[in-house]
Amino acid sequence: AQTVTQSQPEMSVQEAETVTLSCTYDTSESNYYLFWYKQPPSRQMILVIRQEAYKQQNATENRFSVNFQKAAKSFSLKISDSQLGDTAMYFCAFSNYNAGNMLTFGGGTRLMVKP
Amino acid sequence: ETGVTQSPTHLIKTRGQQVTLRCSSQSGHNTVSWYQQALGQGPQFIFQYYREEENGRGNFPPRFSGLQFPNYSSELNVNALELDDSALYLCASSLILADNEQFFGPGTRLTVL
Repeated sequence: AQTVTQSQPEMSVQEAETVTLSCTYDTSESNYYLFWYKQPPSRQMILVIRQEAYKQQNATENRFSVNFQKAAKSFSLKISDSQLGDTAMYFCAFSNYNAGNMLTFGGGTRLMVKP
Repeated sequence: ETGVTQSPTHLIKTRGQQVTLRCSSQSGHNTVSWYQQALGQGPQFIFQYYREEENGRGNFPPRFSGLQFPNYSSELNVNALELDDSALYLCASSLILADNEQFFGPGTRLTVL
């Protein structure tokens, strides 16, 4: 079974600054996907960024980028130029390549962007 | 393109009752997954349906059951409600043969008294 751990329950950052959210995971699988999801106060979960484990290059999506360290089983999310709209719960999630799209989530990090 | 929708938005039940939650998948998606999100926690996988068949199940008892219909909409049924069933129930749809992205609905907030 897979486990996903987010060790930072809450974080805050000033607007326009950079913040990094941490995530570690445990699995015996070699092929898998990792995700960061954002859940704003309105509740709808939105995909922020995705990483395929077989890709060595770190994924980037505009202001969002990841640091994927496969050997260390670490998958952190960096948010650059933080905006007030980034305030949300952020969840790290794992999906086994051969298990459909079933996601295992971490406990989440509440991010507050301050003006 | 219509996104994932869920109904009702909120629901209050008493212990021992039964509840049905509904999900309408995003257009073209043939896979639906259900997740339970307790307050302050990450979502937990309940089960997944692919082309009307259960395709995987998490660590939930049999009183949690589901259906997927030919139009790929879905229901989550919970019998003999317990206080711990109080949570946000999320539905997510995807195209299983595609690139593994799931699209979530806004959720149904269930309160069991």
